[in-house]
Amino acid sequence: SQQGEEDPQALSIQEGENATMNCSYKTSINNLQWYRQNSGRGLVHLILIRSNEREKHSGRLRVTLDTSKKSSSLLITASRAADTASYFCATAGTGGFKTIFGAGTRLFVKA
Amino acid sequence: NAGVTQTPKFQVLKTGQSMTLQCAQDMNHEYMSWYRQDPGMGLRLIHYSVGAGITDQGEVPNGYNVSRSTTEDFPLRLLSAAPSQTSVYFCASSGAGTGHSGANVLTFGAGSRLTVL
Repeated sequence: SQQGEEDPQALSIQEGENATMNCSYKTSINNLQWYRQNSGRGLVHLILIRSNEREKHSGRLRVTLDTSKKSSSLLITASRAADTASYFCATAGTGGFKTIFGAGTRLFVKA
Repeated sequence: NAGVTQTPKFQVLKTGQSMTLQCAQDMNHEYMSWYRQDPGMGLRLIHYSVGAGITDQGEVPNGYNVSRSTTEDFPLRLLSAAPSQTSVYFCASSGAGTGHSGANVLTFGAGSRLTVL
């Protein structure tokens, strides 16, 4: 089974609203990353948070990590229609290798 | 700078046929990996390599072989294709993290869509 599981599986919001996605994982990690995938395309890296960090920001993205609960959340503020995509969390083990992905959250932002 | 290049983009095979998906990167990345993505699902790790001459199994390695003779190339071989291997395959690579050991950010290829009849 996969390391990371996202919640919710799908999310539909209005433009301008915030979108929050959650990720849980099972074992110790070196880092946790979030990726975005537009339909039919390869994945694009969004943000990485290391196991000794609790929160990280990048533009409209905010990521939190709770290693005691083995969970992370991705917040996208002021969503735009162009944010419509699938979002995946991924965890890397010792050495930062062997990156395992979750099943993803499909985000639909209505204009 | 091409990044990660996968070929072919599309392939149709008959059950039992063999083929190789090619992956090449020009970023001098140590780490390379292969994933498959089935419709509506996340990526599952097939095999990965942390350097030339070193490969290891991922989550779903059965039915696939890999080798890493050079830093640049990481081909994925299907020895006897089965309909269950119909999927989109992604190759990804990463180098050592900047500023922090082990922080590896993956760069993905565009994907190879394989159909096995």
